[in-house]
Amino acid sequence: DQQVKQNSPSLSVQEGRISILNCDYTNSMFDYFLWYKKYPAEGPTFLISISSIKDKNEDGRFTVFLNKSAKHLSLHIVPSQPGDSAVYFCAASGGADGLTFGKGTHLIIQP
Amino acid sequence: GAGVSQTPSNKVTEKGKYVELRCDPISGHTALYWYRQSLGQGPEFLIYFQGTGAADDSGLPNDRFFAVRPEGSVSTLKIQRTERGDSAVYLCASSLTGGRRGYNEQFFGPGTRLTVL
Repeated sequence: DQQVKQNSPSLSVQEGRISILNCDYTNSMFDYFLWYKKYPAEGPTFLISISSIKDKNEDGRFTVFLNKSAKHLSLHIVPSQPGDSAVYFCAASGGADGLTFGKGTHLIIQP
Repeated sequence: GAGVSQTPSNKVTEKGKYVELRCDPISGHTALYWYRQSLGQGPEFLIYFQGTGAADDSGLPNDRFFAVRPEGSVSTLKIQRTERGDSAVYLCASSLTGGRRGYNEQFFGPGTRLTVL
């Protein structure tokens, strides 16, 4: 059973608009959530994180929102740029020693 | 400073053979993790080292998989009697500290793509 779910395998957004990537989780033990970005043939790179005691964290164009009661988080990218095209993984910490990842969402930024 | 490095970048082997995959973590990072990423999936946790010891190997799929970190730095993932289902990208990550709770940013290497024919 998947504890971290990213239900959109892909998302296409026009350059300059907002990209919203969603993630749901089931394990109440998770206390930290992270977003990783991955380009082909490279390892995932850390993007932004949020502690379970917060509901929002912002870093430049990237904002992560956490709704604990709904067990849902989202990553907002605004404005979207061509270099943002990549696979984005939602990950959670606290349920086990390693991170638990979703399947990823392939974000495509169209010019 | 150097990031996490993994060798080889690609490995093609035949079913039944033995393979070793190497990970060189960021200097000073005490925690080291191995993950496996199959096509269309996210990385799945295999094993976690704190120093030289395997603190959690609950993600290893079966006893054909084994990993070591004898001096608390470089780690080797070993797969015996490889099967076609072992084909995946094997990712290594390190972090300054480990543990289950709280902030634990992990830095990933580029991975080793293993293909079992």
